[in-house]
Amino acid sequence: GIQVEQSPPDLILQEGANSTLRCNFSDSVNNLQWFHQNPWGQLINLFYIPSGTKQNGRLSATTVATERYSLLYISSSQTTDSGVYFCAGGNSGNTPLVFGKGTRLSVIA
Amino acid sequence: KAGVTQTPRYLIKTRGQQVTLSCSPISGHRSVSWYQQTPGQGLQFLFEYFSETQRNKGNFPGRFSGRQFSNSRSEMNVSTLELGDSALYLCASSLGNRGTGELFFGEGSRLTVL
Repeated sequence: GIQVEQSPPDLILQEGANSTLRCNFSDSVNNLQWFHQNPWGQLINLFYIPSGTKQNGRLSATTVATERYSLLYISSSQTTDSGVYFCAGGNSGNTPLVFGKGTRLSVIA
Repeated sequence: KAGVTQTPRYLIKTRGQQVTLSCSPISGHRSVSWYQQTPGQGLQFLFEYFSETQRNKGNFPGRFSGRQFSNSRSEMNVSTLELGDSALYLCASSLGNRGTGELFFGEGSRLTVL
């Protein structure tokens, strides 16, 4: 099955800094999502982005499907951005999403 | 509209007992997926149900089972609980009509096995 690798595993930022999180896939995917896990454990949808670029406020994401990777950009980070960011992908209509191990982000005031 | 609802949110069981977790999907969603999250193994897929049929199954022992009802609500059951079953169990719903699609997660059920 698909392997999903996320980098970096841990990231510490000063408030206001920018960051880029990366997700690599071992095979092509046509279903790709980014999530933020809040302190209570819920996975919050950030982007559904099998290809192309999307932006939502200070967050944006780009997926280059042909090269099997996706990037999540966080600009002007805030302490509320802290948490674990997961990407997940699948490569056909009826297969489950496979999750990466996540990037743990800590934003310090 | 209401999101994905999972009950109970927290529960404590002892080894050997069984547990049933419930998930109500977003209205109109017909697919429900279950994931187990532990610190050591991360997020692992348990199973997916679509229109009352199990469409996919992960690599878990037969003690883990699930079902989906005609209103798309789903339950998962774990029998003969082991200490290693302590985890956050997450349910996600999607439209599901063209495969797994975009997932929306509930708040999870946190199970502690003593």
